Amino acid sequence: GQNIDQPTEMTATEGAIVQINCTYQTSGFNGLFWYQQHAGEAPTFLSYNVLDGLEEKGRFSSFLSRSKGYSYLLLKELQMKDSASYLCAVRDRDYKLSFGAGTTVTVRA
Amino acid sequence: ETGVTQTPRHLVMGMTNKKSLKCEQHLGHNAMYWYKQSAKKPLELMFVYNFKEQTENNSVPSRFSPECPNSSHLFLHLHTLQPEDSALYLCASSQEVAEVGEQYFGPGTRLTVT
Repeated sequence: GQNIDQPTEMTATEGAIVQINCTYQTSGFNGLFWYQQHAGEAPTFLSYNVLDGLEEKGRFSSFLSRSKGYSYLLLKELQMKDSASYLCAVRDRDYKLSFGAGTTVTVRA
Repeated sequence: ETGVTQTPRHLVMGMTNKKSLKCEQHLGHNAMYWYKQSAKKPLELMFVYNFKEQTENNSVPSRFSPECPNSSHLFLHLHTLQPEDSALYLCASSQEVAEVGEQYFGPGTRLTVT
């Protein structure tokens, strides 16, 4: 099976930066995804990494190191609407997605 | 709005009831998925359909029965469920299974088994 770990909760102040780490062990690797899920809503796609390095998309960036089995999602200039759960998911050699339990980020004024 | 809709959004059922969850995607995708999301636990993949054919059953109990009549619709038939089956059931779709793109999720059905 797959093993994906991420912190349970993080709290940060509006305007600050938060980094959510994700470590994984999988049978084969076909990409890592980050999703955002607001309470009671569908998870929505944020980013995708398949090669090592940083992918930047506006205020959100995602980094991948395949040799270390490690990724992070960086949220900059935090806004209140960024309060949500952030899910790390890894696609294995059979193209199945395995998810971490999610990190609940609370943004305080 | 992700292009994936699910009905009902909330469902309460007794252990002897039979009910069905419905998912519809308007994205022209060929792969559809059922996931279970319990509180504080990772999303668990239940079933995968690719071009209407079931390609994955992740050791799901037979009281859950999926149906995929066409690439746009996916059902999950429920019967004689247990209280521990109470969870959020999410449907997702993607272009096809062995494809680079991401999965698009519906808002889920919040199921409570009494």
